[in-house]
Amino acid sequence: SQQGEEDPQALSIQEGENATMNCSYKTSINNLQWYRQNSGRGLVHLILIRSNEREKHSGRLRVTLDTSKKSSSLLITASRAADTASYFCAPTENSGGSNYKLTFGKGTLLTVNP
Amino acid sequence: ETGVTQSPTHLIKTRGQQVTLRCSSQSGHNTVSWYQQALGQGPQFIFQYYREEENGRGNFPPRFSGLQFPNYSSELNVNALELDDSALYLCASGRGFKTDTQYFGPGTRLTVL
Repeated sequence: SQQGEEDPQALSIQEGENATMNCSYKTSINNLQWYRQNSGRGLVHLILIRSNEREKHSGRLRVTLDTSKKSSSLLITASRAADTASYFCAPTENSGGSNYKLTFGKGTLLTVNP
Repeated sequence: ETGVTQSPTHLIKTRGQQVTLRCSSQSGHNTVSWYQQALGQGPQFIFQYYREEENGRGNFPPRFSGLQFPNYSSELNVNALELDDSALYLCASGRGFKTDTQYFGPGTRLTVL
């Protein structure tokens, strides 16, 4: 199975600004998911984008997927202090062998300052 | 809130002891997965159960074992605890064994002294 690599490792912005996080992966995917984790808590599913989709929106979140570059980005617009969390991407392989598990990188730690 | 619950919230054990962690899946879900998250790392897949059978396993030794019950609740058992087992243990439930959306519980923080 493959692991997504999030970039940057840490990001600090002011409330109201936009935050962009990137994810790169190595092999073809079935879908790619983004999750958020508040400090020391469980992960919350944010959005799932399938390999045949290029862009998806959910509230203040916008996710793009470029399968030719094997990369995805998560944009949070008009950030709030409550968006402070770690963000993880989880690309899921196209092959049937291991598409039962999520594989996470180290995540991007986003800090939104009031 | 995802509807997935875990118990206990925190646990302290000593090296060599055994521990059992519990997870109650979201209603309607028949798959449960367990993950270990060390400090500063992303969650690492331990194993998944689908309809009470182990469906897949990550790179964890046999002293990590699990059970899934007919009501789809689940246990993670760890024998012969080591200091490196100190971590946040997360369970996640889903519909079917394919990796669409997974719903995570709040986790159990295990400290091994």
